[in-house]
Amino acid sequence: DQQVKQNSPSLSVQEGRISILNCDYTNSMFDYFLWYKKYPAEGPTFLISISSIKDKNEDGRFTVFLNKSAKHLSLHIVPSQPGDSAVYFCAARNSGGSNYKLTFGKGTLLTVNP
Amino acid sequence: AAGVIQSPRHLIKEKRETATLKCYPIPRHDTVYWYQQGPGQDPQFLISFYEKMQSDKGSIPDRFSAQQFSDYHSELNMSSLELGDSALYFCASSQGLAGGRGDTQYFGPGTRLTVL
Repeated sequence: DQQVKQNSPSLSVQEGRISILNCDYTNSMFDYFLWYKKYPAEGPTFLISISSIKDKNEDGRFTVFLNKSAKHLSLHIVPSQPGDSAVYFCAARNSGGSNYKLTFGKGTLLTVNP
Repeated sequence: AAGVIQSPRHLIKEKRETATLKCYPIPRHDTVYWYQQGPGQDPQFLISFYEKMQSDKGSIPDRFSAQQFSDYHSELNMSSLELGDSALYFCASSQGLAGGRGDTQYFGPGTRLTVL
């Protein structure tokens, strides 16, 4: 049962435009969400995170929006650059208890065309 | 800045052999996580350690074991390897419970294990 879902396996965007990557989750115990970017042959690189007490977090060109009632989050990249081309993973965790394991979505391959 | 170090980066083994993967966390990080990513799949949590004690266990086969040492590095030991164990194995580290709610997990480059 996939608790974190990224329903778009791929997304293609023109350089300079906005990229919007979406993520849905089913586990209402998740209270912290992260986006990772992954290039081939490298490990996931942390991009941005958001706590469930917020609905928006911004860091430079990257903004994450969280809609708790819809169990939906999205990552906006503005403006998109060719170097942003990578696989983007949405991840979630339940910070209750003593473990912080991440549950990942299957990823979205973003291609930014020059 | 120092990152998570994993060794080896690539490993080729035969079925039924054993393998040991090593992970060196970011300095001052006390929590280590292991994830397995099969081809075209999302990373799946295997096991984690905080202050040298196992803190959580996921979908890790009984053939696998892991530990965290006094210098906080961790080793994942895999025995009786099967073809299906071929995957990317990522280690991540964080400052664990120090902040009360855990901290961001930073990933290493991964070890690509191929079982023939």
